[in-house]
Amino acid sequence: GAGVSQSPSNKVTEKGKDVELRCDPISGHTALYWYRQSLGQGLEFLIYFQGNSAPDKSGLPSDRFSAERTGGSVSTLTIQRTQQEDSAVYLCASSLTLAPGQYFGPGTRLTVT
Amino acid sequence: AQSVTQLGSHVSVSEGALVLLRCNYSSSVPPYLFWYVQYPNQGLQLLLKYTSAATLVKGINGFEAEFKKSETSFHLTKPSAHMSDAAEYFCAVSLSGNTGKLIFGQGTTLQVKP
Repeated sequence: GAGVSQSPSNKVTEKGKDVELRCDPISGHTALYWYRQSLGQGLEFLIYFQGNSAPDKSGLPSDRFSAERTGGSVSTLTIQRTQQEDSAVYLCASSLTLAPGQYFGPGTRLTVT
Repeated sequence: AQSVTQLGSHVSVSEGALVLLRCNYSSSVPPYLFWYVQYPNQGLQLLLKYTSAATLVKGINGFEAEFKKSETSFHLTKPSAHMSDAAEYFCAVSLSGNTGKLIFGQGTTLQVKP
């Protein structure tokens, strides 16, 4: 089957606008993760979904960031009132619950002007 | 708290030479450890993983890594570098096996010279 897919691949937005980033995990994977990759901060965990459990939101940097996962599959990461420091590559990953190893999508490059 | 340290942000080797990328971790409980590779403008690809089975782990593209508990290390090696190995490599640790967040090192850029 297909790997993790993300859309859009690139997004340029103006400061203050809201953006939505989408992730389609590998079919059958119950766990879904969002990470952010930026030059200054490296790879940072943002949020994690596992089945019907409450998500682990411990990595979200501010309340402008939120994410949801509908039907245990597709996930959307929303950034409200974007700031220039939000510019980064946002990576999504998925995994099987009992098989170690997360599989990453190609990422969405977000540029806030 | 967990942490991962990759020694050397840039490593340069000649084609055919040994590749050694260093990773040390800090964890209060037995960790799961991973190496990922990232080619330019691409996502991360899983190279190999240590999950408390064999301490010498073989991965894709001829890479392997050895878990050494006494040294809290998980260094990545390849006997003979290829030009196509040039990329950024990330070591990562997870406390909760597959169902937990990954903590990444800062990455090591591997340059392979002809």
